[in-house]
Amino acid sequence: DARVTQTPRHKVTEMGQEVTMRCQPILGHNTVFWYRQTMMQGLELLAYFRNRAPLDDSGMPKDRFSAEMPDATLATLKIQPSEPRDSAVYFCASGLVIGGPTDTQYFGPGTRLTVL
Amino acid sequence: SQQGEEDPQALSIQEGENATMNCSYKTSINNLQWYRQNSGRGLVHLILIRSNEREKHSGRLRVTLDTSKKSSSLLITASRAADTASYFCATAAWGDTGRRALTFGSGTRLQVQP
Repeated sequence: DARVTQTPRHKVTEMGQEVTMRCQPILGHNTVFWYRQTMMQGLELLAYFRNRAPLDDSGMPKDRFSAEMPDATLATLKIQPSEPRDSAVYFCASGLVIGGPTDTQYFGPGTRLTVL
Repeated sequence: SQQGEEDPQALSIQEGENATMNCSYKTSINNLQWYRQNSGRGLVHLILIRSNEREKHSGRLRVTLDTSKKSSSLLITASRAADTASYFCATAAWGDTGRRALTFGSGTRLQVQP
């Protein structure tokens, strides 16, 4: 049963610390998405990769956030330095897109981040 | 910005009743999808309807799409307590460069009372 995995599932850190979240997309999927979910803002798209290349990271605060795909089996989202307002659940999702707009996305279980 | 807006924001019904949720969007789309999120979990894809389709069924789910009104509805028939979750619509648009990702609405929280 293929699924998207995310680590860690929970992270508590202090303001100013670096946070790295990891995602393993479903094997064979060529698109990876990072979302952030909060009660106030709902689900926000942070970054979007296709074939490991970043297509859209306009939703991501560039001064502190960075997203990369070192290889097809790993996507990372890094926050440095972290701030209390970054507290949220971060979801990774993957999908397979062939010559068309975005189709079904498969979500991971999320990383619940708390920045004190 | 939110492309899809769900209505109502919250819905409470009794087990066995039908639940209807609506989604409105603003721009032209290629497809519209519905997702479910159980508390503390990731989103799970339920159903996808393309812009040239008007209605689609999957088990107890029925989705309609009216592109002239830019709206969609999700009907869950014979609801069960296990259907308690938040439901999100998401739209996919074919932008100039084909780079648009899904845009999610704010969700409808459904509570099914046993």
